[in-house]
Order: sequence, then C-alpha cells, then structure tokens
Amino acid sequence: IAGITQAPTSQILAAGRRMTLRCTQDMRHNAMYWYRQDLGLGLRLIHYSNTAGTTGKGEVPDGYSVSRANTDDFPLTLASAVPSQTSVYFCASREGQSDTDTQYFGPGTRLTVL
Amino acid sequence: GQNIDQPTEMTATEGAIVQINCTYQTSGFNGLFWYQQHAGEAPTFLSYNVLDGLEEKGRFSSFLSRSKGYSYLLLKELQMKDSASYLCAVRSENQGGKLIFGQGTELSVKP
Repeated sequence: IAGITQAPTSQILAAGRRMTLRCTQDMRHNAMYWYRQDLGLGLRLIHYSNTAGTTGKGEVPDGYSVSRANTDDFPLTLASAVPSQTSVYFCASREGQSDTDTQYFGPGTRLTVL
Repeated sequence: GQNIDQPTEMTATEGAIVQINCTYQTSGFNGLFWYQQHAGEAPTFLSYNVLDGLEEKGRFSSFLSRSKGYSYLLLKELQMKDSASYLCAVRSENQGGKLIFGQGTELSVKP
C-alpha cells in the first residue's frame, strides 16, 4: 500500500506559469486536504474536500484551485504562480467516518517560484 | 477565531524527559492532535486527546485540560532520533475534520 503520493517531489517555476501539484491516495479516504508549510508560520490549510465532488476553502485559498473528480485524486492548481507561493506543499487524507480520524500526510512537494 | 501557541524551540539531553506545551483558544473544541515532523519529511501522527487526562503510548504521553485550553506532549527516555519538530493541532466542531496547526516546537536532543 503506497498511502499518499505527491508529484512532483520538487519544482522550480517561473512566475506567471501555471502549475498543477498532484496528490493520489489509495486508502479510499473520503476527506483530502492541501496545506502549505512556511518557516515561522506552520502548516496552513489551502483547500479541502470532505468527499468526492465537493471542495471548500481553507485559511489561505487565494491563488489556488482544486478539484475532486474521484475519491483518489486531489490536484492543486496554481493558475499564475507568484514568488509568495514558494513553499512546501503537503497533501493529507482522512477516512472521514468519525471525528477521531487521523490525517495522514503525503511526502510533500517543494515549490520554488522565481 | 482560533489561536494555538507552543514554544518555538527546546533543547534536551539524551535519556532525559521533556515536556512540550501547547495552549489554544477555539470555539467548539473537538480534539487535539500531536504530530512529529523530521526535517524534510511529512508530519506523522503521534497522539489524539478529546477528553481531559493523560494518554500514554510507550515513551510518548499527551495530556489535555479542556477548561484551561492546555495540552502537553511528554517524551521520556529521549533518543537522538527524537530531534524533530512537534506540531500541536486543534479540531473544532462544525469544521468537519479540518485541523488548525500551531507553528511547531523544534526539539534538539543533545548527547
């Protein structure tokens, strides 16, 4: 069982370019999340999805969009990247059957926008 | 709103005990999580508290006082591999499974 995979592992991107970060889980979890982690700011929620077909905004959604066409995949898109989006991005998933469910994190994508 | 505070960094000696504190302010508290994150890696789940008291898991224990908005993570018999960042996260009612994370406490274990 792979758990949660993210791609790419790292990326350097020119400002203004479009970029999609991929996240796939094979645990059949209902809920999925995207976070960014910045030094001194901790993990901040960008977008989330409680179940396939639904999405919601987190703390810092501006400049990002997501889709949840099926249970396994939850891609995060930066329509026009800016340097302030340089960060480490983590995808997470949760079974979603009860409030005690734990979130499990993917390995992360390190993104640099120049 | 929600606010979570934990010390930025701590240092402890191998074999010792260390306590990492977390205070929080939230409406509709519905659980507190502790995660461990080694440098360059993903956070991994350590413990979960929703009722007052102590939860013990081997060398790691976590305590919660809901009336005080306070939790701590206790690490016993410290090992060098325990050097990592420890993240406190709070879940609120009516927020689904979303977590709000503190900034993390960077623990350095010295020989």
